[in-house]
Amino acid sequence: DSGVTQTPKHLITATGQRVTLRCSPRSGDLSVYWYQQSLDQGLQFLIQYYNGEERAKGNILERFSAQQFPDLHSELNLSSLELGDSALYFCASSSDPGLYNEQFFGPGTRLTVL
Amino acid sequence: GENVEQHPSTLSVQEGDSAVIKCTYSDSASNYFPWYKQELGKGPQLIIDIRSNVGEKKDQRIAVTLNKTAKHFSLHITETQPEDSAVYFCAAITTGTASKLTFGTGTRLQVTL
Repeated sequence: DSGVTQTPKHLITATGQRVTLRCSPRSGDLSVYWYQQSLDQGLQFLIQYYNGEERAKGNILERFSAQQFPDLHSELNLSSLELGDSALYFCASSSDPGLYNEQFFGPGTRLTVL
Repeated sequence: GENVEQHPSTLSVQEGDSAVIKCTYSDSASNYFPWYKQELGKGPQLIIDIRSNVGEKKDQRIAVTLNKTAKHFSLHITETQPEDSAVYFCAAITTGTASKLTFGTGTRLQVTL
């Protein structure tokens, strides 16, 4: 158990809908990262937050957004969902955003868009 | 941006044999290279990492080597066991204030009895 929790575990929805994925980092970790894992794209970095502020952006679509709250939990919002958004979404956390820090991954949320 | 290539995509070895997974990276500024193991239904878990100022690191049956000149790094697992069966990902981190992991495409390792 990494100490990172993600809810829900599974999510099934329809195209055009909006969903919110939730992540609670390990106790004491200030940095949260979101990754998307799909069969054809592998593990891709989406976005990083550190202590409530956006720190880095990866291949995140404009239909997606995220935020980190004062209690450090984070939410990833996915809107106008398309079939291609079906994937595993992982959250990871670390103690600081610098180099060499270990990122701890949560168990993931499996999103299925029908 | 960084590009990480990983080979092979699948690897089958007999229990007790060694397994080697290789990765190459493109950004010469990358200086931290972690390896993750992902078991079915779970998130990736860090198993070993190496920094660019080190050529080799070992932790029990697992070792990682780094060749900065050639921009490649490898994972070596000796005396493989069935519980080593999983998908392994290499990754590289670009320098800067954000630790943005770029992952390889993964290697599915199967250890057969």
